[in-house]
Order: sequence, then structure tokens, then C-alpha cells
Amino acid sequence: GIQVEQSPPDLILQEGANSTLRCNFSDSVNNLQWFHQNPWGQLINLFYIPSGTKQNGRLSATTVATERYSLLYISSSQTTDSGVYFCAVGGRAAGNKLTFGGGTRVLVKP
Amino acid sequence: NAGVMQNPRHLVRRRGQEARLRCSPMKGHSHVYWYRQLPEEGLKFMVYLQKENIIDESGMPKERFSAEFPKEGPSILRIQQVVRGDSAAYFCASSPPGTETQYFGPGTRLLVL
Repeated sequence: GIQVEQSPPDLILQEGANSTLRCNFSDSVNNLQWFHQNPWGQLINLFYIPSGTKQNGRLSATTVATERYSLLYISSSQTTDSGVYFCAVGGRAAGNKLTFGGGTRVLVKP
Repeated sequence: NAGVMQNPRHLVRRRGQEARLRCSPMKGHSHVYWYRQLPEEGLKFMVYLQKENIIDESGMPKERFSAEFPKEGPSILRIQQVVRGDSAAYFCASSPPGTETQYFGPGTRLLVL
């Protein structure tokens, strides 16, 4: 099946800093989603982005499908950005199921 | 439009008991997925269902676990004779026909004593 690797595994930021999270995947995909799991365990949809670039407030994401990676940018980080960020992908061979990466644990310090 | 609903949000069971987890998809969504998150790990796919059909159960443990999505009512994930290793967060997701985006519920946290 598809392999998904996220880096870095952990990230500590000072409030106001910018950061980039990376997601590499091993095969072509027709679905790629970014999620934020907050400290209470809720999974929040950030982006559906199998290709191209999208922006939503301080967050933006870019997927380069031909090179099999996606990037999530957090600008002007806030303490509420803390949590774990997951990338999940789905490929045609995999049907509709999503394969999750191991996540990037982000801690934003005030 | 209410989001994906799961209940109960927390469930405590003793070893050997049964656990039933419920998931109501978003209105208009006919595809339901179950994922499991073990402590300090990422989410792992378990099963994909459409109304009255199991489409893909490649992630389901071979024994004690079953899932259904009846014509009427919520999807049910059933775990028989629970063991401590079943303690995890179980997430349900749904999607409308013809799209890939999956929307996740708040999860059910199962604790087996």
C-alpha cells in the first residue's frame, strides 16, 4: 500500500513564527487531506488538496503530485495552533480509504 | 447541516464485554469509514461501508470486530469480548457520493479495564 511520511515529527515554535510541515507519499494519489488534531483529540479538516495550492487564513498548503509531496505552511503561529497535524492520502488502487502519516506534533509557546 | 455524529463519546468496558459504537454521517452522505487511533499513534483504516454493503474491510481485525451500515439508522462498529488492547479512539468519517473528501466525527474513546 501507499506509504506516507511526515516531517519533522516534532516542532516547537515561538508564537508569531512561521513553519513548514512536509508530507511525502510513495504513489500517485487522488485524495490528499490535511488535518489538525487539537489537544482535545478532535480531528479538524484543514484542506482537501490532491494537487495545487490553497489558502485559508494563516494556513496554506501546496501539493506537487508529480513529485509526491505536500507542504503545509503555518504563518504567524498562535498557541491555538498547537496539536498534531496529519497528512492522509488515498490512491485509486486503495479505493476510498485514507492512509495517514505519523503526524507532526506542534507546540506553540507564548 | 450537522457534522458527523458519534456516540458515545467515551465508553468504559471490562474485559470480555461488548462495545457498540455508533456513527451518524452528515446529511446526504452515503459513505461511512471507520478508523482507529491507538495511543500515541496515527489513524489506521478499518472499514468502508455504503448503505447495507461492506465495500472494504481490509483493515478490520479478523475476529471480534464487525461493522454495519443499515438502510435506516446509524452505522455500528461492534467489538465483542473486548480486551485491553482494544482501548483506543475510534473515528468515523463520511463522504457524499462522487467525492473523496472525508469529514470526521469527534471520535469515541474506548477504555477497556
